[in-house]
Amino acid sequence: RKEVEQDPGPFNVPEGATVAFNCTYSNSASQSFFWYRQDCRKEPKLLMSVYSSGNEDGRFTAQLNRASQYISLLIRDSKLSDSATYLCVGILTGGGNKLTFGTGTQLKVEL
Amino acid sequence: DTEVTQTPKHLVMGMTNKKSLKCEQHMGHRAMYWYKQKAKKPPELMFVYSYEKLSINESVPSRFSPECPNSSLLNLHLHALQPEDSALYLCASSQEPPGELFFGEGSRLTVL
Repeated sequence: RKEVEQDPGPFNVPEGATVAFNCTYSNSASQSFFWYRQDCRKEPKLLMSVYSSGNEDGRFTAQLNRASQYISLLIRDSKLSDSATYLCVGILTGGGNKLTFGTGTQLKVEL
Repeated sequence: DTEVTQTPKHLVMGMTNKKSLKCEQHMGHRAMYWYKQKAKKPPELMFVYSYEKLSINESVPSRFSPECPNSSLLNLHLHALQPEDSALYLCASSQEPPGELFFGEGSRLTVL
């Protein structure tokens, strides 16, 4: 089983829709999580960190559920410009405290 | 605008060539990373430097040789590469290892 797993998608949604991605992790002692966004042929860019209490930044909300070992990203009122690949990243304890990337979820927002 | 600068942005090399990728950050970060990314795949960790010392080598073939001349600079020396090494090579830094990563724009490498 992969340490960090995501549904690769693609998720095709109409503009204005609400879309949610989940990411599961295998190591219950994992420390920190992030969501990164990567546009085609560009570098990943930090979208938001994920806190246990949940955090919101405009149309984006991230949640961490330690009991079920998953993190989520909710995008409200999706825009065409939200089309990208969303990467879930965790700092997993054990194995050198490395950042571990999920496979990424592709989002396509359509007119 | 990225605060991690990578050069060159594109590189084409033959299998017998020797070339280097360069990365620079001026954020005072103490950890620097090299990642390799193939199309439609997530970045794959190659090396981590922590306080200018190599702390992680993910069993990368010796034809890739990292170097950290100082806390702001990270190089990746390339020699006798294979066509399957063609990929986007991403440099990243974080304040402390491990931590939130800041990526450069990447160097797109093609090996002929």
